[in-house]
Amino acid sequence: QKEVEQDPGPLSVPEGAIVSLNCTYSNSAFQYFMWYRQYSRKGPELLMYTYSSGNKEDGRFTAQVDKSSKYISLFIRDSQPSDSATYLCAMSGSGGSYIPTFGRGTSLIVHP
Amino acid sequence: ETGVTQTPRHLVMGMTNKKSLKCEQHLGHNAMYWYKQSAKKPLELMFVYNFKEQTENNSVPSRFSPECPNSSHLFLHLHTLQPEDSALYLCASSQDRSGNYEQYFGPGTRLTVT
Repeated sequence: QKEVEQDPGPLSVPEGAIVSLNCTYSNSAFQYFMWYRQYSRKGPELLMYTYSSGNKEDGRFTAQVDKSSKYISLFIRDSQPSDSATYLCAMSGSGGSYIPTFGRGTSLIVHP
Repeated sequence: ETGVTQTPRHLVMGMTNKKSLKCEQHLGHNAMYWYKQSAKKPLELMFVYNFKEQTENNSVPSRFSPECPNSSHLFLHLHTLQPEDSALYLCASSQDRSGNYEQYFGPGTRLTVT
């Protein structure tokens, strides 16, 4: 079993839709949970982070962590074509290490 | 220049060539990383440097040789690569590796080995 599972997609949605991106993980020791966005021909950029369980909201983006289910989500409201990118989940904090373990990334396409 | 820069952006090399990738960070960070990104695979951590000292080598073949002359610069020296080494090589930096989780990535070098 991979440490972090993420469906590569692509996920195609119409503009204005609510998008739900998800990851599952197997290591219950992870404490920090991150979402990175990667546009084509660019490096990943940190979008959201959450410590332990709970929700965090930033504009149209909401990150959720459910440690009991080992499941994290990123919701994008009112999706825009400019949100088209690959979204990578990452997590760290296991065994005192802050180096993230990444998922494969989900390719999101928002069409006008 | 701001953030993390990488040169070259694209590189095509034969299996017998020797080349180097360069990374520079302008953020005052102390930790730098090399990652390999292949299609449909998670980012693979290759090397970690903290305050110029290598702290992790993730079982990377010796045909990849990192160098960190100071906290702002990181190199990846390549020699006798294989076609399966073709990938996007990403450099990242963070404040340090002991407490700050946020990594800042460069745009990557797209490497093709022929």
